[in-house]
Amino acid sequence: SQKIEQNSEALNIQEGKTATLTCNYTNYSPAYLQWYRQDPGRGPVFLLLIRENEKEKRKERLKVTFDTTLKQSLFHITASQPADSATYLCALGTGGYQKVTFGIGTKLQVIP
Amino acid sequence: DADVTQTPRNRITKTGKRIMLECSQTKGHDRMYWYRQDPGLGLRLIYYSFDVKDINKGEISDGYSVSRQAQAKFSLSLESAIPNQTALYFCATSGRGSTDTQYFGPGTRLTVL
Repeated sequence: SQKIEQNSEALNIQEGKTATLTCNYTNYSPAYLQWYRQDPGRGPVFLLLIRENEKEKRKERLKVTFDTTLKQSLFHITASQPADSATYLCALGTGGYQKVTFGIGTKLQVIP
Repeated sequence: DADVTQTPRNRITKTGKRIMLECSQTKGHDRMYWYRQDPGLGLRLIYYSFDVKDINKGEISDGYSVSRQAQAKFSLSLESAIPNQTALYFCATSGRGSTDTQYFGPGTRLTVL
C-alpha cells in the first residue's frame, strides 16, 4: 500500500543551525512533492513545491531536495530561528485528476 | 479578509446531533476539500469536489456528507455526531493547475460529548 513517512518524533535544534526534515515514501510515483508549515490550531500553509524532474529547490532560507531513486525528500531550514518552530508536513501528488496525500508531519522546535 | 473561511471556529455538541460545518472561499478555485486532523494521525481526506457537479469520497467519508452549493461554498455535515468525530476539521481549496497546491482555512474545532 502507499505510504508516506515523516519522523513523528519532534526535532529539537539550536538556533542558528540547519534543520533537516525527512519525507520518505513507498509505492508512490509522485509527479511532485510539496512542503507545508502548520502552527498549532491553524491550517497548513504552503511553502515549496518540487517536481519529479527537479533535484533541488530553494526559497530564502528553505531548501528542498527530491530523490526519486531513494524515494525521499529532504527539507532544510538554514540559520534556523525560534519563529521557525512549527510542524512541517510533506504532501505527494501524482498530478492530473488526483489529489495530494499528506504525511503526518514533523514537529520542529528551535531552541534559543 | 481571509481567502478561505470556516464557520463555526469552535463547536461543542452532543452525541446524535446533526452538525454542519461551512466553508467559503474567495480564491475563485474550482477544487475544494474537507479534511480532519487528529493527533498522531495527520490530515485525512473526508470528501473532495473538483467542481460544483463533482463530489468524491475521500479515505474516511463514513458518517459524513457534503454539499457543494456553489463554486465558493462547500459544506460538511455530520448527520448524527459521535464522540470519535471529535477532531480539528479543515477546509481547503486548490486551483486547476497540475500541482494542486492547497490553501487551507483556519479550521473548526469540533467536540462531540
